[in-house]
Amino acid sequence: GAGVSQSPSNKVTEKGKDVELRCDPISGHTALYWYRQRLGQGLEFLIYFQGNSAPDKSGLPSDRFSAERTGESVSTLTIQRTQQEDSAVYLCASSFLAGGPLADTQYFGPGTRLTVL
Amino acid sequence: GENVEQHPSTLSVQEGDSAVIKCTYSDSASNYFPWYKQELGKRPQLIIDIRSNVGEKKDQRIAVTLNKTAKHFSLHITETQPEDSAVYFCAAQDTGRRALTFGSGTRLQVQP
Repeated sequence: GAGVSQSPSNKVTEKGKDVELRCDPISGHTALYWYRQRLGQGLEFLIYFQGNSAPDKSGLPSDRFSAERTGESVSTLTIQRTQQEDSAVYLCASSFLAGGPLADTQYFGPGTRLTVL
Repeated sequence: GENVEQHPSTLSVQEGDSAVIKCTYSDSASNYFPWYKQELGKRPQLIIDIRSNVGEKKDQRIAVTLNKTAKHFSLHITETQPEDSAVYFCAAQDTGRRALTFGSGTRLQVQP
């Protein structure tokens, strides 16, 4: 079946502009995560959605970052007034049965490479 | 919050040799420990994971060990092949926070 998809694959923008990144999770996956990966570094958690529960926004680095998810489907990550330090690959992951007694496996999308000039 | 340390940052081995990557974590509530392989420009791919109720898990040439008392876990790759060359990330997840906390990665180079 289809995996996690993200769009666009690459985005180049000018400092100060807003950008919107999209994630389509695996069908049926109730949990969705956004991570950021700077060049040569590990993945940093940004935000987590689980069903209709309030999202865990504890990883968002500033109030310029926000995300939405419609039900258990598509999510968008918005970065307002982009800065050069926002340049990174933004990865989305989804998983099934989050919240159950066992931890769930996260499947990653291909990422969106954001470059802020 | 959780903190995951990963060593070494780079590892070069000869084809056929074994490779070991080690991680430590700080939150004793963590109970799930996946390992991801990331090739250049590609998405992270899960290669093996272990939960806190077991001490070791194997899948062909790959094995992971977990020591909950010491709060460390390790990835072992035997009979390495050039296609094993990639960056490997360990991660930890606790029951209270679903997000994964990742290590900083190990760049493995297998020399043919």
